[in-house]
Formats: sequence, structure tokens, C-alpha cells
Amino acid sequence: AQRVTQPEKLLSVFKGAPVELKCNYSYSGSPELFWYVQYSRQRLQLLLRHISRESIKGFTADLNKGETSFHQKKPFAQEEDSAMYYCALSGGATNKLIFGTGTLLAVQP
Amino acid sequence: SAVISQKPSRDICQRGTSLTIQCQVDSQVTMMFWYRQQPGQSLTLIATANQGSEATYESGFVIDKFPISRPNLTFSTLTVSNMSPEDSSIYLCSVEPWTGDNEQFFGPGTRLTVL
Repeated sequence: AQRVTQPEKLLSVFKGAPVELKCNYSYSGSPELFWYVQYSRQRLQLLLRHISRESIKGFTADLNKGETSFHQKKPFAQEEDSAMYYCALSGGATNKLIFGTGTLLAVQP
Repeated sequence: SAVISQKPSRDICQRGTSLTIQCQVDSQVTMMFWYRQQPGQSLTLIATANQGSEATYESGFVIDKFPISRPNLTFSTLTVSNMSPEDSSIYLCSVEPWTGDNEQFFGPGTRLTVL
């Protein structure tokens, strides 16, 4: 079955601390993995995708096929990083997205 | 990118009634999707709406309950029929532009409360 798991509902860190948001997936083929972010009172937007391998707002994410994970990291958290982060998977011909349950990141001053 | 608007932004409805949500995009897109986000939960895909064909529904969602229209490449509607309090959710429209890179853009959502 296709599934995305984000084990932490809430992650609270202090400003300047490293952040790791975890994501594990279950998929029989070769999926495409994404991180979407929703800031307070804003719409959901794409943050990262594994095929681009780029860093956005200091966040990077690596696809580990052996561990079926797509964790994202940032070395120094900022208060403006506080948001809801969703890991998502896309596979097959339909390009539909399967979302994890989300992790609320709270960066304390 | 694509700019997406949804109407209404929110509504409070009585059980047994129906509500139609509109999704408008500022450019032509091939694929449009409708998601539901129930309180405290993640997004769940309801259906994929492609222009010129019937919508494809995910397991647990049926056309009688969630009829969808896709009359052209910039517009779609989702109707929530015969509503019950369990239908209280945020309903989101998303689109995938013709860029071929699988990126989806999301609308602001419609917050529905059923009394």
C-alpha cells in the first residue's frame, strides 16, 4: 500500500538549533517525494522535491531508497520557519499526491 | 506557476443540503484535483478532474456524494451533497500546470461547517 508517515505531530526547537523533519514512505515503484509547507494563514505550497536536489530557505532533503525515507533538515532554525510541513508522495500515471499527517514546527525565540 | 481561487472561502450549512465549491485557475491546466482536510488530519484526495472526461474518484468517495464538473481547462466545481456534520472539512482544489514537472499548486481552500 502507498503510505507516507511523519512520526512527529509537533516539533519544537529554539532559534538557531538544527531541525530535522522526518518522513518515511511505502511505495512499490519509484515514487517522487515532496515537502509542502503551510505558513499561518497562507495556502499550501511546495518547498522541496527530491528530483531537484536544491536547497530552499536553507532546507535540504535527501531521498534514501534503502530506508524509504525523505527527511528534511536545516542547520539553523529561524522563527519564520514555524509552519506546518507535509511530506507527500507521487507515483504512477495519475500524479496524485499522497500526504503524510504533517508536522507542526514551532521555532521558539 | 498558477494562481487559484476558490469560492466560497467558507460556509456554514444545514445537514441535508448541498454546497457547490468553485475552483478557478488563471491559466489552462490539464489536471485538477480535489482534496479534503478534516479537522486535525492530513489532506486526502477525493478525485482527479480532467477536462473532457469523467472524474476519477479515490476509494471511499463516490460521484453521488461528491459530483464534480470540469467544463473547461480553467474551471472545476465540487459539490458536497446531502451534507452531514461529518462533511465538515476544508476542501482544497489543486492544479498541475503543463510544465511536466509534477508540481501541484493549491487553492486557499473552502472551510465548510455542517450543523
